[in-house]
Amino acid sequence: GQQLNQSPQSMFIQEGEDVSMNCTSSSIFNTWLWYKQDPGEGPVLLIALYKAGELTSNGRLTAQFGITRKDSFLNISASIPSDVGIYFCAGQVAGSYQLTFGKGTKLSVIP
Amino acid sequence: DTEVTQTPKHLVMGMTNKKSLKCEQHMGHRAMYWYKQKAKKPPELMFVYSYEKLSINESVPSRFSPECPNSSLLNLHLHALQPEDSALYLCASSLDRRSYEQYFGPGTRLTVT
Repeated sequence: GQQLNQSPQSMFIQEGEDVSMNCTSSSIFNTWLWYKQDPGEGPVLLIALYKAGELTSNGRLTAQFGITRKDSFLNISASIPSDVGIYFCAGQVAGSYQLTFGKGTKLSVIP
Repeated sequence: DTEVTQTPKHLVMGMTNKKSLKCEQHMGHRAMYWYKQKAKKPPELMFVYSYEKLSINESVPSRFSPECPNSSLLNLHLHALQPEDSALYLCASSLDRRSYEQYFGPGTRLTVT
């Protein structure tokens, strides 16, 4: 099946710093989604992207649909302690009705 | 309202028990999903219901039996589970199968003893 390579696997940052994470694949995707999951909870949808080159913001979060349609990026500006959690990218490959998930990026914010 | 609810929040069951997980959404979504998530892993798709009909079964063992009584409810019946089935079980819904914005419930933490 399709594989999504999500990086970094984990990161420790100082409160107030900006954060970047990304997902890449060898397959072409029609849709990219970014989720955040807190411990013991379900993933929460942060941003959905549908067009190559699309740049979408949700508060301090900004995500981009890569121009090649094989990657996506999520940036978090001015991180705060409640940004802690696991961020998953998920994508829908052309011709498939299912989502493929990345392995997640675990974010830790040091106050 | 983008809420999907799941009950119970936690469940401990023996290998000979029969139990059910419940999921409910009132967003008018016509696609509903069951996922299994092990610790530090992404969710793995188990079943997809579209307009109350099972459309995808990802080769899930028969000890897991899904049911969709109506467009708002999704159940997962459990019987004769194994300890390795312990995981977080997530329900999700989307407008329909062509919509990829899936909204997840909080999950049921299942422990099989």
